[in-house]
Amino acid sequence: GQQLNQSPQSMFIQEGEDVSMNCTSSSIFNTWLWYKQDPGEGPVLLIALYKAGELTSNGRLTAQFGITRKDSFLNISASIPSDVGIYFCAGGDSGGSNYKLTFGKGTLLTVNP
Amino acid sequence: ETGVTQTPRHLVMGMTNKKSLKCEQHLGHNAMYWYKQSAKKPLELMFVYSLEERVENNSVPSRFSPECPNSSHLFLHLHTLQPEDSALYLCASSQVEGDGPPGTDTQYFGPGTRLTVL
Repeated sequence: GQQLNQSPQSMFIQEGEDVSMNCTSSSIFNTWLWYKQDPGEGPVLLIALYKAGELTSNGRLTAQFGITRKDSFLNISASIPSDVGIYFCAGGDSGGSNYKLTFGKGTLLTVNP
Repeated sequence: ETGVTQTPRHLVMGMTNKKSLKCEQHLGHNAMYWYKQSAKKPLELMFVYSLEERVENNSVPSRFSPECPNSSHLFLHLHTLQPEDSALYLCASSQVEGDGPPGTDTQYFGPGTRLTVL
């Protein structure tokens, strides 16, 4: 089956620093999604990408849909303590099983004030 | 965010109990999903309903039984669970475009039910 490699697994940064995380796959995806999950809560959608090469921002967050359609990255600028949480990437395809999203294992972000 | 709600938020049950998880979406979507999230594992898709019909059952044990009475409500009935079934159960919804199978259009998640099986 399809797999997503998300890295890094965890990050410890100082408040104000920029953060970058990415997901790669051997499979092509038509959709890339980035979610954030706080402890005890469900994932919240941050950014959705639907076109190869697309670069989209949401406040301090920027994400790109890789031109090969096999990768995506998420950048967070000027991190703040409330950025703490687990960030998940998810890839979707429009193939025969096009209702499935494939999720990465997540990046745990810790921000030290 | 109250687009997708789940109840209860926490549930503790014995292996012989029968309980149900409830999900309700207020987004006008026509597809709903059940996921299981265990520690240090990726999200696992359990069931997919599109237009109230089940279109996916990812080899989930029969002790989990889904029900989708309408496009806004989704249930997960639980019986004779095992301790390894303890996890966060997440519901999600999305909008299917066209007449085909559910698309990979953006899924919106509920807050989850934290289930502990003793």
